Amino acid sequence: DAGVTQSPTHLIKTRGQQVTLRCSPKSGHDTVSWYQQALGQGPQFIFQYYEEEERQRGNFPDRFSGHQFPNYSSELNVNALLLGDSALYLCASSLFSGSETQYFGPGTRLLVL
Amino acid sequence: AQSVTQPDIHITVSEGASLELRCNYSYGATPYLFWYVQSPGQGLQLLLKYFSGDTLVQGIKGFEAEFKRSQSSFNLRKPSVHWSDAAEYFCAVGSKAAGNKLTFGGGTRVLVKP
Repeated sequence: DAGVTQSPTHLIKTRGQQVTLRCSPKSGHDTVSWYQQALGQGPQFIFQYYEEEERQRGNFPDRFSGHQFPNYSSELNVNALLLGDSALYLCASSLFSGSETQYFGPGTRLLVL
Repeated sequence: AQSVTQPDIHITVSEGASLELRCNYSYGATPYLFWYVQSPGQGLQLLLKYFSGDTLVQGIKGFEAEFKRSQSSFNLRKPSVHWSDAAEYFCAVGSKAAGNKLTFGGGTRVLVKP
């Protein structure tokens, strides 16, 4: 049973560029949440997708957007990259109506130069 | 609003000694509480969780945690630490009302001395 997978593992971009990160949830899960983890800090909630809609959003600007596909996989898009967007981006999957446990992928490390 | 405080940024413990990591949360409703572990450059692995019932919960790798509502705490313990337990540990709070959104503490980095 595959767990949560994310791609790519690492990414280097320059300021002003756009980036797309991808996530495939654990088999049987229907909800995907995205978190940003800056160096030395705990993860911070970006947003959550269920039934292809954004259900909740954390305190992140509109430059951060997402999408969920019919197969439950998800993308995180960040436009107009800033140096401060450098972080580990974590995807977590769960069941919307389940036990609330979120299972995390290995993350994508984004470096903005 | 939910918040989580992990008072200890770093803890150094000798191999074979006991370990306790502190976690205090602030949340108005009944919380769901979690401990995750993160090895360098890796994602988060769930150690254990508390939703309801018995306030002492057992997890993987020999870890346990105790929920104390009166103290708003959910401290993680391990009786005998192994070198492989060196990692960063995160406490998180969520709830049904919050729609699965997790709020994390700042983490505690555990160093294990031989």
